[in-house]
Parts: sequence; structure tokens; C-alpha cells
Amino acid sequence: DIVLTQSPGTLSLSPGERATLSCRASQSVSSSYLAWYQQKPGQAPRLLIYAASSRATGIPDRFSGSGSGTDFTLTITRLEPEDFAVYYCQQYGSSLGTFGPGTKVDIK
Amino acid sequence: QVQLEQSGAEVKKPGASVKVSCQASGYTFVNYYLHWVRQAPGQGPEWMGLINPSGGGTSYAQKLQGRVTMTRDTSTSTAYMEVSSLRYDDTAVYYCARDQGWRALDIWGQGTMVTVSS
Repeated sequence: DIVLTQSPGTLSLSPGERATLSCRASQSVSSSYLAWYQQKPGQAPRLLIYAASSRATGIPDRFSGSGSGTDFTLTITRLEPEDFAVYYCQQYGSSLGTFGPGTKVDIK
Repeated sequence: QVQLEQSGAEVKKPGASVKVSCQASGYTFVNYYLHWVRQAPGQGPEWMGLINPSGGGTSYAQKLQGRVTMTRDTSTSTAYMEVSSLRYDDTAVYYCARDQGWRALDIWGQGTMVTVSS
């Protein structure tokens, strides 16, 4: 199975700051099948980015995704109060899916 | 609107089985793959598998092979996920989620809490 590693584990930032989250795969991942999700307590995950860099419907343009191969990045250009949450990357390959362990973005 | 409605919370004893349902509405059920994802308390999501509602084909996480079965009923636009031989570490919230394409999950059910307790 492909293992996803996310860093940092926790990111402490202030509203208005830029957040850069990393997702690294144990082997090459198809960019078509790399997605990012946001999750808040008590809620299901929410799709932000699919195919590594395409924003899902209704997602603000302050969220962007990039990367290929084994290294992918989610960037939030200016953190809004509602962006403080946990973020997960997810990949699908060889008929199997996996999620990363998550990065928590909290208020500094 | 597009939504997935899941069955209610369950409490099961170790060794028992649980079957969770997920009814789709607001879109054509057979046109989108459906995934199952679970999340243990305080943990990240874990991908369990997927089903193609059109033909019924499935793919399961290796960790759950032999214990999980995903099925569907196209007449009621409902998918089912059954886990057998339940263990304490199967305690989790179980979600169904629609695959919008590119194996990205755009619509999620509200989650079903399954507690394994003696």
C-alpha cells in the first residue's frame, strides 16, 4: 500500500497568515488521484482539492494545491477564522485508497 | 439536493456483524462510485473500499479483506456495508461518500457510529 505522510503535524498560525501543508507519498502517486480534505470537529471531511490542483465546487480561491510524483502541497494564502481545522490528503492507486494522518491548523 | 442518508448508530458485541446502509438521493445512483470510510475516535479517516453501483464491482482495503462486504440495491438507490467478526478496534464512525470522479469524495453521509462493546 502507498503510505502518505503529512507535515507538520500541527501548524500554529494567525488569521491572515499563509499556511503551507505538505503531503509525501511512499511511492509515486497519480496526480489525477490526489485530493485534499478539511475536517472540523463532529463533521464529515469536506473536499477542497481534487486531481492535485483542481478546486472543488464552492471552494474559495485562497485554497490551492500543487505537486506531482511523491510530493504534494496544499496552500491557504490568507487564513480566515473558519479555516482552522484538520487537513487530510488522500490518494487512490492500484485499486486501493489511503489517507494521510492529517495536519492540524490551529490559532496561534 | 444531492445527499446520502445513513442508518442509525449501532452497538454490537465482539464477534458479531454490523450492516450500515447509505441511501442516495438527488442524483443518478448508478452513475457514481461509492466509497466507505471509517474514523476511529480521535484518529484520521481510514479508506475501507468502494463499490460501483452500476455493476456491483468492489475493491476492499487489504486490512479488511475477508471481513467487509459492500453491496447495493439499485431499485432503492441504497448501498450497504457489512463488517463481520467485529473487534473492539472496529469502533468508529462509518461514512459513505460519493466519488465525483478522480476518486475524490464530494458528498458524504452524516456518519454512523458503530460501537463494539461487551
